[in-house]
Amino acid sequence: SQTIHQWPATLVQPVGSPLSLECTVEGTSNPNLYWYRQAAGRGLQLLFYSVGIGQISSEVPQNLSASRPQDRQFILSSKKLLLSDSGFYLCAWSGLWQRGTEAFFGQGTRLTVV
Amino acid sequence: KNQVEQSPQSLIILEGKNCTLQCNYTVSPFSNLRWYKQDTGRGPVSLTIMTFSENTKSNGRYTATLDADTKQSSLHITASQLSDSASYICVVSFNTGFQKLVFGTGTRLLVSP
Repeated sequence: SQTIHQWPATLVQPVGSPLSLECTVEGTSNPNLYWYRQAAGRGLQLLFYSVGIGQISSEVPQNLSASRPQDRQFILSSKKLLLSDSGFYLCAWSGLWQRGTEAFFGQGTRLTVV
Repeated sequence: KNQVEQSPQSLIILEGKNCTLQCNYTVSPFSNLRWYKQDTGRGPVSLTIMTFSENTKSNGRYTATLDADTKQSSLHITASQLSDSASYICVVSFNTGFQKLVFGTGTRLLVSP
């Protein structure tokens, strides 16, 4: 069966420090991978998605970047964190796009920038 | 603008009672509508997925309905349990060839004993 792992679960980082959040998927190949951010009281916002190794699309301009060095590994990074980067970050994967394609989410990372 | 709006924002019900959550959307072109359950501090977990041609879909005590004409959906929970306490998120996806999801802000449900 497929599983998705995301870590760390919580993170407190000072302003200006770098960030690296990692997500890995097991039990499937060539998944579509996504990074979402959920701010308090707001819906999930898509940050990045990837349809293959090295292929990254950004949905919103921001202080973050993403990379996909391996088929089932997706990394969210920042060189210098801002206070506004605080939030709940979720990694997700899905199969090839079809009308009924399911999306599976990781457990999330609570990031607090202080 | 593609939007998904949910109501009520929060809801408290007694254990064993039923409740219905509402979702209105303006997403176009519509592909499918999903309901997710999200426990506090955890990732969302899928409850149902409905395509354009489906009017209702059940998953245990959860029943989702879809009216594609009025662009409305509802999630009905029967015989609520304490473990149903969570946020319920309505998500509508585009039909653009890859997966784009528009998330509602969710309804926070508290089931009290």
